[in-house]
Amino acid sequence: QSALTQPPSASGSPGQSVTISCTGTSSDVGGYTYVSWYQQNQGKAPKLIIYEVSKRPSGVPDRFSGSKSANTASLTVSGLQAEDEADYYCSSYAGSNYLVFGGGTKLTVL
Amino acid sequence: QVQLQESGPGLVKASETLSLTCTVSGYSIRSGYYWGLIRQSPGKGLEWIGVINHSGTTYYNPSLKSRVTLSVDTSKNQFSLKLSSVTAADSAVYHCATSYAGWSFAYWGQGSLVTVSS
Repeated sequence: QSALTQPPSASGSPGQSVTISCTGTSSDVGGYTYVSWYQQNQGKAPKLIIYEVSKRPSGVPDRFSGSKSANTASLTVSGLQAEDEADYYCSSYAGSNYLVFGGGTKLTVL
Repeated sequence: QVQLQESGPGLVKASETLSLTCTVSGYSIRSGYYWGLIRQSPGKGLEWIGVINHSGTTYYNPSLKSRVTLSVDTSKNQFSLKLSSVTAADSAVYHCATSYAGWSFAYWGQGSLVTVSS
């Protein structure tokens, strides 16, 4: 099983919106609704910000939203804030009781 | 609030077995959820190792399956990882994690750095 494909980097200015993609196949992203997104700050554990494609855990700002189309999932961060600068990872259930992560995207707030 | 804490040796010799224990507080493992291990090599991305539930049902990453064993001790509210025949490629921060939602991880331990030495 291959890792999901994410762009290595993304950037945006404060107040703007940025979208990070997560591309897989019909065997993972395209085949299930178990896509999650994590935010990770340097030296910290990842934080779940989206699960089951578009659901937000309690306490996660609604500036974070998730969606999916075919084999690609997307995370959109609206109204960018300096505190959003972090690494973002997607994951997807890939069938046969197996979970796969993306390679991660470094988001820079300009 | 579910809390997880990893513990184990920070240094393991190549070809030996890496052991890590995750202690859970604020929630009983017997109550449900799947309990997982995820690792992150220095400067790299996340890699799912596997999960276990309270009854001992396990699911492993196929790429690690031949070397991984997860076990659970509900009396101590702990679950554990054993990774055999380690190499330098197994050097990573190992995280314990779990969640109320399927195939995601809402609660994470701070992580435990394990270095494999030759």
